Amino acid sequence: AQTIHQWPVAEIKAVGSPLSLGCTIKGKSSPNLYWYWQATGGTLQQLFYSITVGQVESVVQLNLSASRPKDDQFILSTEKLLLSHSGFYLCAWSLWGGVYAEQFFGPGTRLTVL
Amino acid sequence: GQQVQQSPTSLVLQEGENAELQCNFSTSLNSMQWFYQRPGGSLISVFYNPSGTKQSGRLTSTTVIKERRSSLHISSSQITDSGTYLCAMEPSYQGGRALIFGTGTTVSVSP
Repeated sequence: AQTIHQWPVAEIKAVGSPLSLGCTIKGKSSPNLYWYWQATGGTLQQLFYSITVGQVESVVQLNLSASRPKDDQFILSTEKLLLSHSGFYLCAWSLWGGVYAEQFFGPGTRLTVL
Repeated sequence: GQQVQQSPTSLVLQEGENAELQCNFSTSLNSMQWFYQRPGGSLISVFYNPSGTKQSGRLTSTTVIKERRSSLHISSSQITDSGTYLCAMEPSYQGGRALIFGTGTTVSVSP
């Protein structure tokens, strides 16, 4: 069975500090991977997606970057955090076989920037 | 403007009552999903429903792609149904690479 794991579960960071959030999917090969973000009380927004290793497309610019170093791993990062980065970050996966596919979400990481 | 409109914003039910949540889309879409968002924020996929009607227990989803709308029907509501329900669509122009979410319907079921 496929599992999706996100780390850390929660982070409290200072403005201007670096950030790295991770996501790992086990049990599926070559999934599409996605990063989403939700400000407190806000709407979920897609940030990035990746269809293969080394290839990442940006959907919304939030002074964040994403990388896919391995088939089963998706990393979200920034060199300098802003207060506006606070919120809930979700990683998701889907399969792409020529038909549109259901997305499945990880447990999320809650980020507080002070 | 909002590409995904959900209504109502919130709903208060007495246990046993039925409810219907609506989702309307301003652009053409390939498919859509209904999610339940836990209080901690994580999402559970309730339905992946590109078109037609799907049922799972007391929940029924009906999507009419041509009319750009979907509904989620909860029958005989229970306290455990309380929470936030989100709908999301895959717009046709994104080629299946994006989900655009609505703002959610908060459901509160009391005994």
